[in-house]
Amino acid sequence: DTGVSQNPRHKITKRGQNVTFRCDPISEHNRLYWYRQTLGQGPEFLTYFQNEAQLEKSRLLSDRFSAERPKGSFSTLEIQRTEQGDSAMYLCASSFTGRNTEAFFGQGTRLTVV
Amino acid sequence: AQTVTQSQPEMSVQEAETVTLSCTYDTSENNYYLFWYKQPPSRQMILVIRQEAYKQQNATENRFSVNFQKAAKSFSLKISDSQLGDTAMYFCAFNAGKSTFGDGTTLTVKP
Repeated sequence: DTGVSQNPRHKITKRGQNVTFRCDPISEHNRLYWYRQTLGQGPEFLTYFQNEAQLEKSRLLSDRFSAERPKGSFSTLEIQRTEQGDSAMYLCASSFTGRNTEAFFGQGTRLTVV
Repeated sequence: AQTVTQSQPEMSVQEAETVTLSCTYDTSENNYYLFWYKQPPSRQMILVIRQEAYKQQNATENRFSVNFQKAAKSFSLKISDSQLGDTAMYFCAFNAGKSTFGDGTTLTVKP
């Protein structure tokens, strides 16, 4: 296993377009997390899955954001009608269940909305 | 809701010296873990060290150690014998189900 993989690494889109990002977690991990990180800030929680079930979604997340994890494997994060404020690094992480387990992060997808 | 505060946006240290990064948190949870993660420039985040909240003994991993003060809700990271490869952004994180991160401290190790 090569770790958490995210695609694409970079995405430039025009305001108003829809974008979709993909995350392939470490295969044994049942938890998958999405975070958003802007320059100079820490990762901000967006949502997380336990297998295929979405257990929590941040109240900061607008209805334009949706995430899925079909069959408990890879996950997609879609942003509809992108806005300039959506420009950020989107990080995916996976882990085993448990508060003591470390999260393994991907390299992120950098979104630029122009 | 949990909050994590890192009050030092930037720090620098001379190679081979010791530096301490601060972190405080706020929670009403009793069962939680604390982590320090490192994010090198343009690279993915990796775990540095973790601390179980119910353990009084401070965690140590080679040159990295923590000073965990549960009553004060403080969790600082000490890096001994700093190396150039320690240059990175360091994030303190609190986990009681999902991780909540601080805003990070950018550490520069100078030769």
